[in-house]
Amino acid sequence: KAGVTQTPRYLIKTRGQQVTLSCSPISGHRSVSWYQQTPGQGLQFLFEYFSETQRNKGNFPGRFSGRQFSNSRSEMNVSTLELGDSALYLCASSLELAGGTDTQYFGPGTRLTVL
Amino acid sequence: AQSVTQLDSQVPVFEEAPVELRCNYSSSVSVYLFWYVQYPNQGLQLLLKYLSGSTLVESINGFEAEFNKSQTSFHLRKPSVHISDTAEYFCAVSPTSGTYKYIFGTGTRLKVLA
Repeated sequence: KAGVTQTPRYLIKTRGQQVTLSCSPISGHRSVSWYQQTPGQGLQFLFEYFSETQRNKGNFPGRFSGRQFSNSRSEMNVSTLELGDSALYLCASSLELAGGTDTQYFGPGTRLTVL
Repeated sequence: AQSVTQLDSQVPVFEEAPVELRCNYSSSVSVYLFWYVQYPNQGLQLLLKYLSGSTLVESINGFEAEFNKSQTSFHLRKPSVHISDTAEYFCAVSPTSGTYKYIFGTGTRLKVLA
């Protein structure tokens, strides 16, 4: 089975621009979560989608948004980029077993650099 | 709300020496506990998890972790490390009921020295 794939792997943008990142989960996985990873803050939860609906949301400003398609693929969008948005963005998918017992499988991430 | 604390940001250790990576958590509800490992330029991989039952859980590559409810800890240990264990290790919790959400610690960078 193919793992979680994320595209693109690397992105360089300038302040004020917007960006869209894509995530394809493992086949059969319906839950997709996004995380921001930075050296100082570690992994911070952005949001989780399940069956095309946002089920959980972290403490990020409204500039960060996402969506999930009927095939479970997910995109996240960041508008009006700021220097502090430079980070590794990780996507994780899971089968959605009861109560959080399932394993999250992570993609390799998209490294976003904002200049 | 839940929180996870990994007090050690970096742990250097010589090859074949034992190591313990500490993880403490705070939660008002019951949680499941996880350790993930991230090798350079890769995503995170599950190392081991505690869901219920025996409080000592083991991974296939020699790591083990023990759930201590009274001390709200889930420390990761390995009796003899290898160079290939050099990576960043993340502890995480997830509530056992309701709409789940992972909370990760800030990570511990393990550097194994020859």
